[in-house]
Amino acid sequence: DQQVKQNSPSLSVQEGRISILNCDYTNSMFDYFLWYKKYPAEGPTFLISISSIKDKNEDGRFTVFLNKSAKHLSLHIVPSQPGDSAVYFCAASPGSGNTPLVFGKGTRLSVIA
Amino acid sequence: EAGVAQSPRYKIIEKRQSVAFWCNPISGHATLYWYQQILGQGPKLLIQFQNNGVVDDSQLPKDRFSAERLKGVDSTLKIQPAKLEDSAVYLCASSLLNDSEQFFGPGTRLTVL
Repeated sequence: DQQVKQNSPSLSVQEGRISILNCDYTNSMFDYFLWYKKYPAEGPTFLISISSIKDKNEDGRFTVFLNKSAKHLSLHIVPSQPGDSAVYFCAASPGSGNTPLVFGKGTRLSVIA
Repeated sequence: EAGVAQSPRYKIIEKRQSVAFWCNPISGHATLYWYQQILGQGPKLLIQFQNNGVVDDSQLPKDRFSAERLKGVDSTLKIQPAKLEDSAVYLCASSLLNDSEQFFGPGTRLTVL
């Protein structure tokens, strides 16, 4: 039973355009969400997070939107750059402390120059 | 600041053999996690330590997997005996106490033949 779902295994976007990566969750106990980026042969690196008390969090080119009623979040990257090409994982936890993360399967983003 | 260190980076063994992985977390990080990432999936938690105590090992296959963090710093994860389905990347992550942001090591890629 997958509690965090990333239904698009891959996404291709032209350089300079917007990339939108989507994530759905089923567990209503989740209230803290994170996005991680992973390059080949490296561990995931933290990108951005959002608490359930917010519906938007922005950090430079990266914005995460949360729709609690739909149990849906999305990561927007504007403008997309070739260096953004990586696998992006959505993760969720039932709290903002030291709780384990539940990850989706990831979406491979390819930004084409 | 040094990141999370893991060794070895790659390991190939035959089924029924034993294997051990080592992790050195970021200095000062009280919480340490071991995740298993099977190809095409997101990381899945195996065990979580806080200092040298186990917080969550509910998803650890205890008949063959064991882990320890004796002095609250380094940790080892052992598989004995290995099965074909244990082929995966084993990721170690650490975080500060009560902080959701987890820092991941590069992982150990295990292939069981």
